[in-house]
Amino acid sequence: DAGITQSPRHKVTETGTPVTLRCHQTENHRYMYWYRQDPGHGLRLIHYSYGVKDTDKGEVSDGYSVSRSKTEDFLLTLESATSSQTSVYFCAISGQGFGYTFGSGTRLTVV
Amino acid sequence: QQQVKQSPQSLIVQKGGISIINCAYENTAFDYFPWYQQFPGKGPALLIAIRPDVSEKKEGRFTISFNKSAKQFSLHIMDSQPGDSATYFCAARVGSEKLVFGKGMKLTVNP
Repeated sequence: DAGITQSPRHKVTETGTPVTLRCHQTENHRYMYWYRQDPGHGLRLIHYSYGVKDTDKGEVSDGYSVSRSKTEDFLLTLESATSSQTSVYFCAISGQGFGYTFGSGTRLTVV
Repeated sequence: QQQVKQSPQSLIVQKGGISIINCAYENTAFDYFPWYQQFPGKGPALLIAIRPDVSEKKEGRFTISFNKSAKQFSLHIMDSQPGDSATYFCAARVGSEKLVFGKGMKLTVNP
């Protein structure tokens, strides 16, 4: 999607290993979000950021941490991946009054 | 209080028919109600949105109807086409640019 990229697009990792997903934006938007999408659960907010080094928890934050050292980058880290964290992860950005723009997603499989 | 309840979970319509997706909420502090469309393998994309001071908004074949007193809103897709086959999410925003999403509805439009 224009202005927002996620990497990697696909990843397979083993249980117990650390994993970092990256979201990069070129829109200079203040707000950035990480969601996970699972069948039957829709989109659930993991963490979000309202500025550099300003982050807060969402509804499913356990087992995840985030960092935002620059406006353009928002990292999601699974400190010790578990099978329950197998999911599709979406990053989104938002400027004031302009709704969300989502990235193309990262499909993570924890085996 | 933060939930948005979406129904039905799935819908099959014939080409040319009307697709209707319903959402309900409890939190009267929600101030913005967008709908997102997601195709397989893609991130959700903003389709249409409404604010609670408006009862209806139409954009082409897509119409949002909003009933503030009932705390319900719905998406109507007129003259449904096979290209409309996707997953649709309703959402609601309360402060801090944070959106809460419904669980999604998979629409299939048969030729």
